[in-house]
Amino acid sequence: DIVMTQSPDSLAVSLGERATINCKSSQSVLYSSNNKNYLAWYQQKPGQPPKLFIYWASTRESGVPDRFSGSGSGTDFTLTISSLQAEDVAVYYCQQYYNTPVTFGPGTKVDIK
Amino acid sequence: QVQLQESGPGLVKPSETLSLTCTVSGGSISTYYWSWIRQPPGKGLEWIGYMYYSGSTNYNPSLKSRVTISEDTSKNQFSLRLSSVTAADTAVYYCARGGITKFAVWGKGTTVTVSS
Repeated sequence: DIVMTQSPDSLAVSLGERATINCKSSQSVLYSSNNKNYLAWYQQKPGQPPKLFIYWASTRESGVPDRFSGSGSGTDFTLTISSLQAEDVAVYYCQQYYNTPVTFGPGTKVDIK
Repeated sequence: QVQLQESGPGLVKPSETLSLTCTVSGGSISTYYWSWIRQPPGKGLEWIGYMYYSGSTNYNPSLKSRVTISEDTSKNQFSLRLSSVTAADTAVYYCARGGITKFAVWGKGTTVTVSS
């Protein structure tokens, strides 16, 4: 299985400031034949299912604000919220879909400082 | 727009079989892969497995010996059966569209508690 780790476990950021979440996979999720990273990011708020925010490591899902961006390749990835808003308080998960079983990171909780 | 809705008992006794159904509306079950994913209280997400309408399935090895995912195309539904449950199987169970992929469409989830 590909093991996904995230750091930090939680972070508190002031409104309008940048929030950065890191995700690392135990093996590369870059598929060389198409140069795509099989890595997604989700936002989950209490009592709700996860919501897809980013896929192919850096492609925003339709409707996701452009203050959210994904970057990285191979085994190291980052989700950045450029200017934190109150509605961004949530837990964020990374997920690899490079191979089976699909696996998720443990999550990073983002709060307002 | 495709919508998913999980249904089934909220309480299951230890050693019994958990059975859930996901009803797909706004689209055909015969078009995509469909997965079950669970989330224990206060914890992260675990992919259980997927099915394709042709009968193809793929299960998480950690659960493979206890899991069956099947479809009922006449009702546009797919189902999860998890046998020999323990307290560790207590979780919110989600159905989602997709197999080995990103999951863009999720049900709202249903809570299953394993307790006598």
